[in-house]
Amino acid sequence: ETGVTQSPTHLIKTRGQQVTLRCSSQSGHNTVSWYQQALGQGPQFIFQYYREEENGRGNFPPRFSGLQFPNYSSELNVNALELDDSALYLCASSLGGAEETQYFGPGTRLLVL
Amino acid sequence: QKEVEQDPGPLSVPEGAIVSLNCTYSNSAFQYFMWYRQYSRKGPELLMYTYSSGNKEDGRFTAQVDKSSKYISLFIRDSQPSDSATYLCAMSGGSYIPTFGRGTSLIVHP
Repeated sequence: ETGVTQSPTHLIKTRGQQVTLRCSSQSGHNTVSWYQQALGQGPQFIFQYYREEENGRGNFPPRFSGLQFPNYSSELNVNALELDDSALYLCASSLGGAEETQYFGPGTRLLVL
Repeated sequence: QKEVEQDPGPLSVPEGAIVSLNCTYSNSAFQYFMWYRQYSRKGPELLMYTYSSGNKEDGRFTAQVDKSSKYISLFIRDSQPSDSATYLCAMSGGSYIPTFGRGTSLIVHP
């Protein structure tokens, strides 16, 4: 059983650019959630995908978008990057539902200059 | 006021000490309560999960929830240097989507 993996591990972009982050779910998991964790803060929920459909969204603007693929891997896309988008982006997979444990990946650290 | 308040620390204790970590919250709809551990440069790892009020014990870890006071705690007995990490509380209601505290940095020194 493989865990949640994310790529790339680190990324440097400039303001105004676009970025795509990738996540491979743990085997058998059909639900993926994305979080933004700023330095010294807890993770903030961006959105969740269940079986390729968006299943909830946090307080993030539309320039944050995502996809989930038939194999349940996922992408997070951020357009028009801003300096405040610099953070650790975490992906978590689960079987869905309240009592299903979310398994987090190691994250992608994004720096926007 | 944030929905979930957590003291960032750092909290420094000697090896073997009992550690108490706490969070308060304002949303009375929260009914699922979690504690995560996050090592440096890693993703959070679920330690404890509790539904509604009460206590739950797992090895050296005990989680307590007091919904009347909107207060949750995590106790770590016989703390070890390997327990040094950031501890995040999280809670959710009917949406099952967790709201996290900012985390408390714990340092256990030999």
